[in-house]
Amino acid sequence: NAGVTQTPKFQVLKTGQSMTLQCAQDMNHNSMYWYRQDPGMGLRLIYYSASEGTTDKGEVPNGYNVSRLNKREFSLRLESAAPSQTSVYFCASSEWFRGQPQHFGDGTRLSIL
Amino acid sequence: AQKVTQAQTEISVVEKEDVTLDCVYETRDTTYYLFWYKQPPSGELVFLIRRNSFDEQNEISGRYSWNFQKSTSSFNFTITASQVVDSAVYFCALSEAGYGGSQGNLIFGKGTKLSVKP
Repeated sequence: NAGVTQTPKFQVLKTGQSMTLQCAQDMNHNSMYWYRQDPGMGLRLIYYSASEGTTDKGEVPNGYNVSRLNKREFSLRLESAAPSQTSVYFCASSEWFRGQPQHFGDGTRLSIL
Repeated sequence: AQKVTQAQTEISVVEKEDVTLDCVYETRDTTYYLFWYKQPPSGELVFLIRRNSFDEQNEISGRYSWNFQKSTSSFNFTITASQVVDSAVYFCALSEAGYGGSQGNLIFGKGTKLSVKP
């Protein structure tokens, strides 16, 4: 299926471990996003990238780093995972500007023990 | 401050009924965008519609229709002849047309869970 591909779908980590969530889109979109979804809180923006080589902090960036490797790929890294980062993570892309996600990946369910 | 209110937490209907999901928003900006997203039980997020503040025309897409009324700050979503596959959580969201800082963040409502029973 064309669109936004996000890996992995599930991951369990121990506190302090690191990992990278991968995201790629094949729609030639400039804008890409990382969101987290927690129960009762909707989606909250972690980081945003308007184009290759540029990234911008969102509402909840602490504890995360991102890398816009090229136009297609936008990765999210947890350097030292904490239980508070247990969440469902969504990558998204868009042909529009900041704050307007259009196509989403299937999500990553991340549990930090 | 921006705010999106979806007062209906859960709605249950029987298949083929029409159902309207309410969305009321608050913003001081004159330029903004409104969205609806669907999140079925499988968990993925599906974009449904984007509407800018200068376009008050109602929109229809198959069984889905949207009623945008700036006078009441509402952007309601109607599903006609509902089907079981429409069962999902539906989120309304607001984005102000800013280009940096906190502007432009997408503000979500808490969602309305729609259950369509056969």
